[in-house]
Amino acid sequence: QITLKESGPTLVKPTQTLTLTCTFSGFSLSTRGVGVGWVRQPPGKALEWLALIYWDDDKRYSPSLKNRLTITKDTSKNQVVLTMTNMDPVDTATYYCVHRKTSLTFDYWGQGTLVAVSS
Amino acid sequence: EIVLTQSPATLSLSPGERATLSCRASQSVSSYLAWYQQKPGQAPRLLIYDASNRATGIPARFSGSGSGTDFTLTISSLQPEDFAVYFCQQSYSTPPTFGQGTKVEIK
Repeated sequence: QITLKESGPTLVKPTQTLTLTCTFSGFSLSTRGVGVGWVRQPPGKALEWLALIYWDDDKRYSPSLKNRLTITKDTSKNQVVLTMTNMDPVDTATYYCVHRKTSLTFDYWGQGTLVAVSS
Repeated sequence: EIVLTQSPATLSLSPGERATLSCRASQSVSSYLAWYQQKPGQAPRLLIYDASNRATGIPARFSGSGSGTDFTLTISSLQPEDFAVYFCQQSYSTPPTFGQGTKVEIK
């Protein structure tokens, strides 16, 4: 059974760096073809893909946010970490950790973590 | 990036009725189109991938069709638990992008 769970701060100040951790079970990020990513959703709005890391450490980022994002993995801990620099109130959203099924489809999602950006 | 446009924004139907949701891509995505269902306070759930394949555990009343730029999600007979927001997503190219959603509400 695949599960993912996000953890991190619920509130960050503008200009600060956000660090979110995804802890997963039911699969290994060292298995060929596996990928774990992040998707966010501002309150009442649509979903936005942020980043994806593959089993071979290949990484993909949203072009509009690429300069602010870093995604890493710790295979031994079954964790993926996303950092986003220079946070702004418009980054207020629920951040989801996702498991890649095929190509860029996501079949398992974490419960999400709401991050507010406010001074 | 590929823009997905969903219509209508809101669909008001009664239980038992048929729901037809549309998703149009700004350029061809072949058959690399997925549909997700999201209920309030919950994460999205994958319903359909590669345009017409139901994900594990998804009831047969959900079906997807289309290719290229035009796609449809059909719910053959709405059940009370089907009233939710539905998003389409293209998995053809990076960045993967989502539509703005269609809300299926009880009439």
